[in-house]
Amino acid sequence: KAGVTQTPRYLIKTRGQQVTLSCSPISGHRSVSWYQQTPGQGLQFLFEYFSETQRNKGNFPGRFSGRQFSNSRSEMNVSTLELGDSALYLCASSLASSGIGELFFGEGSRLTVL
Amino acid sequence: KNEVEQSPQNLTAQEGEFITINCSYSVGISALHWLQQHPGGGIVSLFMLSSGKKKHGRLIATINIQEKHSSLHITASHPRDSAVYICAVKNNNAGNMLTFGGGTRLMVKP
Repeated sequence: KAGVTQTPRYLIKTRGQQVTLSCSPISGHRSVSWYQQTPGQGLQFLFEYFSETQRNKGNFPGRFSGRQFSNSRSEMNVSTLELGDSALYLCASSLASSGIGELFFGEGSRLTVL
Repeated sequence: KNEVEQSPQNLTAQEGEFITINCSYSVGISALHWLQQHPGGGIVSLFMLSSGKKKHGRLIATINIQEKHSSLHITASHPRDSAVYICAVKNNNAGNMLTFGGGTRLMVKP
């Protein structure tokens, strides 16, 4: 069974640009959640999608957005990139959004903003 | 004060030692995760707990809901256990929204 796949794995952007990251969950998983990891702030929750609906959102500005497609694949977008957006972006999939399902993480997308 | 506190932040052990990592939290939770992150970034979920104790190989995780405290134990530690261990809690009624501890960086020397 294939794991959670995130693309691209590495990318470099400049300030002001936008970026789109993709996450393909494990087959059959309908919940996808996104997290940001930086050396200063550690791991922080961005948002969660379940059946194409955003269920929860973390404390991030509106420049951070996401969506989920009918096949459960999810994308997140960051517009008007800032240097502080440089981070490892991780997604995780789960069977349900009930809060009691095991989470499976992807390898992450490492974004560098210059 | 952070909602999830881990201790210690850094830990160096000799191969074979028994290791304990602690996690305290201040909010009501539906579950607690112990995660392992190796250099390179990938995260593996080791345990998900809502009560009691779980064991997988040399790893044991316990949680005390009343005291809002969890521990991760590694018996007979090995250099391949070297990684960052992260405690994360799922708040009540918040789906898969996780709040993370700061992590414990473990190095096991041969």
